[in-house]
Amino acid sequence: ETGVTQTPRHLVMGMTNKKSLKCEQHLGHNAMYWYKQSAKKPLELMFVYSLEERVENNSVPSRFSPECPNSSHLFLHLHTLQPEDSALYLCASSQARTGNTIYFGEGSWLTVV
Amino acid sequence: QKEVEQDPGPLSVPEGAIVSLNCTYSNSAFQYFMWYRQYSRKGPELLMYTYSSGNKEDGRFTAQVDKSSKYISLFIRDSQPSDSATYLCASMDTGRRALTFGSGTRLQVQP
Repeated sequence: ETGVTQTPRHLVMGMTNKKSLKCEQHLGHNAMYWYKQSAKKPLELMFVYSLEERVENNSVPSRFSPECPNSSHLFLHLHTLQPEDSALYLCASSQARTGNTIYFGEGSWLTVV
Repeated sequence: QKEVEQDPGPLSVPEGAIVSLNCTYSNSAFQYFMWYRQYSRKGPELLMYTYSSGNKEDGRFTAQVDKSSKYISLFIRDSQPSDSATYLCASMDTGRRALTFGSGTRLQVQP
């Protein structure tokens, strides 16, 4: 148990579907992150929220839409995805001002068909 | 050029061996260095964290950073089959809020 919980763990969706990934952290942190992990590629940072404000958006296509309603919850809304978006999506959290130690959830495996 | 380079392996060693995992980085502004362990189909788990140059030891694990050569190492003593996983190095500078990762090295410890 890492203190960062992601649901669902597995998701299969069609290219016309709309779905959401959910993340909740129980560590009292105030920064949250979405990373994408594809086979044989480094983890790619997608979004960073610090104190509930989006502070980084790494040129992610608009078919990915993050939402951070409070410091404990983070969502990634998905719509009209492509097969190449199939990957492991990892949520993480840290303390914003010291943010060096980042803790990850178990990830959500996404398959786009 | 990737900011953090890591040999993907796989690296296969017999049980009890000393394992050396390495990364190089290009960004001189990196000050924080981490090693994560990731088991198959799981999220990365933080193993070691160091700031600037030097060594840090935790049980069978030793992390080493040489900023003059931009080289990061993780040593595992008395390796166990349960150490079989992918090891990710990561770095961050003080101006950013997120980590830059290497692509990971897959380690297999044979019983």
